[in-house]
Amino acid sequence: ETGVTQSPTHLIKTRGQQVTLRCSSQSGHNTVSWYQQALGQGPQFIFQYYREEENGRGNFPPRFSGLQFPNYSSELNVNALELDDSALYLCASSLGAGAGYNEQFFGPGTRLTVL
Amino acid sequence: AQKVTQAQTEISVVEKEDVTLDCVYETRDTTYYLFWYKQPPSGELVFLIRRNSFDEQNEISGRYSWNFQKSTSSFNFTITASQVVDSAVYFCALSELSTGTASKLTFGTGTRLQVTL
Repeated sequence: ETGVTQSPTHLIKTRGQQVTLRCSSQSGHNTVSWYQQALGQGPQFIFQYYREEENGRGNFPPRFSGLQFPNYSSELNVNALELDDSALYLCASSLGAGAGYNEQFFGPGTRLTVL
Repeated sequence: AQKVTQAQTEISVVEKEDVTLDCVYETRDTTYYLFWYKQPPSGELVFLIRRNSFDEQNEISGRYSWNFQKSTSSFNFTITASQVVDSAVYFCALSELSTGTASKLTFGTGTRLQVTL
């Protein structure tokens, strides 16, 4: 069974640029959630995709957008990067979007640095 | 709104000591789930335990145990006979059913555990 994978591992961008982060969910999982973890903080929920549709969103501006593909892999896109976007971006997959009983399996994350 | 508080920022213990990590949560829901995750230096969050709001039975699993008390909104986590490999940041998290995004996890700020020889 393949776990959750994310690419790239590290990324350096400059302010104003755009970035795309990728996530492959665990085999059989149809739900992907994205989290932003600033240094020294807990992860913050960005949004969730369930069967290719956005299924909920946290307190993040519209320049954070996403996609989920038919194979349930997902992308996180961030436009007009700001310095505060520097963080570890974590992807989590689960079987089903319903209820907290669906254990979320996290990937290793993408470390984004905005200069 | 939901909130998770981990008042302990950092804990240092000597190997073989027992250590308890505190977690206090706030929610208006009657049905919710609580989690503990471990984040080693590699960055990947590792699931440790899940409890739902109707299950206050505490449990021991190997060196880990949990104390869930709804009356005080606490969900504490204990490592018995700590080992150096337990060194990591530990996060407590809450998931509510009423948000419509039931799998959304609200995390605390984490407790860094350092276990030394």
